Amino acid sequence: DAGITQSPRHKVTETGTPVTLRCHQTENHRYMYWYRQDPGHGLRLIHYSYGVKDTDKGEVSDGYSVSRSKTEDFLLTLESATSSQTSVYFCAISDRGVRTDTQYFGPGTRLTVL
Amino acid sequence: AQSVTQLGSHVSVSEGALVLLRCNYSSSVPPYLFWYVQYPNQGLQLLLKYTTGATLVKGINGFEAEFKKSETSFHLTKPSAHMSDAAEYFCAVTGSGANNLFFGTGTRLTVIP
Repeated sequence: DAGITQSPRHKVTETGTPVTLRCHQTENHRYMYWYRQDPGHGLRLIHYSYGVKDTDKGEVSDGYSVSRSKTEDFLLTLESATSSQTSVYFCAISDRGVRTDTQYFGPGTRLTVL
Repeated sequence: AQSVTQLGSHVSVSEGALVLLRCNYSSSVPPYLFWYVQYPNQGLQLLLKYTTGATLVKGINGFEAEFKKSETSFHLTKPSAHMSDAAEYFCAVTGSGANNLFFGTGTRLTVIP
């Protein structure tokens, strides 16, 4: 298994509070991604990073921000959590991008916003 | 724009029967296509992918898929289902950028003993 950890694995929070999810990799892969998984929607890309301090938006980026100050860590922040952000969040990594390389997924973080 | 449609959110098959999971795609550029599997409470794992070349792609655990450009399809098959195949399966396509993956809504496969 690719060395990807996500923390926390489960979190319950209240509407309006800030939340930060962490993805940590030990593979030294260049690309890192954050997805959310919701019933009836599959996985949708939130943000991705193609290097330290290099990030770009995905299809559902509103309400989320990311940061990558080190190759191994990719943080996802919900500045003010809303109930619509209740979801399972997956981090993924790949070495040279999805066209030329396999994308490996972390175990997921289940976030509940009350 | 790129998108994927998976027909059937739930599929049930008997153990030993053929597995057929359907995926149709839409892409304005030559597509790269993927099938992923997700076991309960786990992340996604790549089963197989089509990039270029041979249109019949073989993956792990006995699965294969055939890229049919004329039908814009990439259906996943396995000749004989095992109980361990019970999981959710996702089809995905690349976007116009090199690092965008668009996923279908998933098909949950149940294998009946």
